[in-house]
Amino acid sequence: DTEVTQTPKHLVMGMTNKKSLKCEQHMGHRAMYWYKQKAKKPPELMFVYSYEKLSINESVPSRFSPECPNSSLLNLHLHALQPEDSALYLCASSQDRTGFNSPLHFGNGTRLTVT
Amino acid sequence: GENVGLHLPTLSVQEGDNSIINCAYSNSASDYFIWYKQESGKGPQFIIDIRSNMDKRQGQRVTVLLNKTVKHLSLQIAATQPGDSAVYFCAESRIGSFKTIFGAGTRLFVKA
Repeated sequence: DTEVTQTPKHLVMGMTNKKSLKCEQHMGHRAMYWYKQKAKKPPELMFVYSYEKLSINESVPSRFSPECPNSSLLNLHLHALQPEDSALYLCASSQDRTGFNSPLHFGNGTRLTVT
Repeated sequence: GENVGLHLPTLSVQEGDNSIINCAYSNSASDYFIWYKQESGKGPQFIIDIRSNMDKRQGQRVTVLLNKTVKHLSLQIAATQPGDSAVYFCAESRIGSFKTIFGAGTRLFVKA
């Protein structure tokens, strides 16, 4: 079992819907990430939060809106998505990387289908 | 630009044999390298990492080798088991950076 929990596991939404993906970790990690993974491709970085502040936005369209309410929670709000946004959305966490490196701990993802 | 790639997209091995998965990277500034395993329906799982001041690191049944001269990384799995069947990603990063760049991935098939 992963120590990063993502809900829901599966989500089907229409292009006019608003939905949210949720992620939770209790490892005390202060960096949290959203990745997008298309079938048979590697994960691609979307956002990074460090100490609950947005640190990196990899030029992600505004229809994806991240939120970090506290050090354990990370949300991704979805609005007016396109069918090409269908993918596996992965949440990850790591120790603060200032001055050193640490591996990412991934959840099992939310499989999103946009119809 | 930055690129982390793999020589072979698929690898098929007999159960009990050793597996070697290779990876090439092009960013000489990278100083931290990681291998992840991703099983079907799951997120990537950390296997082993290595820093650029080392050329070999061993874990339980796994060994990572780093050759900075030719920018090459490999993952060796000893006595491969059916449970090792998965997609393996190499990844690279730099000290202080939140960015991790993943290679294309290699699918490992273990034949019983």
